[in-house]
Amino acid sequence: KAGVTQTPRYLIKTRGQQVTLSCSPISGHRSVSWYQQTPGQGLQFLFEYFSETQRNKGNFPGRFSGRQFSNSRSEMNVSTLELGDSALYLCASSGLADTEQYFGPGTRLTVT
Amino acid sequence: AQTVTQSQPEMSVQEAETVTLSCTYDTSESDYYLFWYKQPPSRQMILVIRQEAYKQQNATENRFSVNFQKAAKSFSLKISDSQLGDAAMYFCAYKTGGTSYGKLTFGQGTILTVHP
Repeated sequence: KAGVTQTPRYLIKTRGQQVTLSCSPISGHRSVSWYQQTPGQGLQFLFEYFSETQRNKGNFPGRFSGRQFSNSRSEMNVSTLELGDSALYLCASSGLADTEQYFGPGTRLTVT
Repeated sequence: AQTVTQSQPEMSVQEAETVTLSCTYDTSESDYYLFWYKQPPSRQMILVIRQEAYKQQNATENRFSVNFQKAAKSFSLKISDSQLGDAAMYFCAYKTGGTSYGKLTFGQGTILTVHP
């Protein structure tokens, strides 16, 4: 079974721009969660989607948004990028039992 | 809110020796899950082991085992016969069994160095 894939793997953007990251879950998984990892704040939960609905959200500003498609693929969008948005963005998928999460390789976003 | 604390920013171990990584958590929930994830330099998060709070028996996966002390809210990871490939950042994570669904709360991580 193929693992979780994320595209792109690396991204460099300028402050004020917007960015869209993509995550394809393991086949059959309907839950996709997103996390931001920074040296200062560690791993923080952004949001989770299940069957195209956001069912949990972390404590991030409205500039961070996401969506999920009918094939369970998910995208997250960050608008009006700030320098502090530079981070590794990880997505994870889980199956029906919703206990274990399986992570993708991450997207490294650098904002200059 | 649930919190997870890893008090050891760095640990080191000799190859073939045993090392224990510590984790404590705070929750008022009775139904929850605990995990240890490994993040090598590639940054790929890999699930090492999981523990259901309702199970008294400590989880074991090959060379990895946990010491789950529910009353003390402690969840340590023991790595036996350490190998060079075990070198990584290790994260302890908590997930409630309730309406937080897919949300994992992570500790700050412990960097494990394995010396040959």
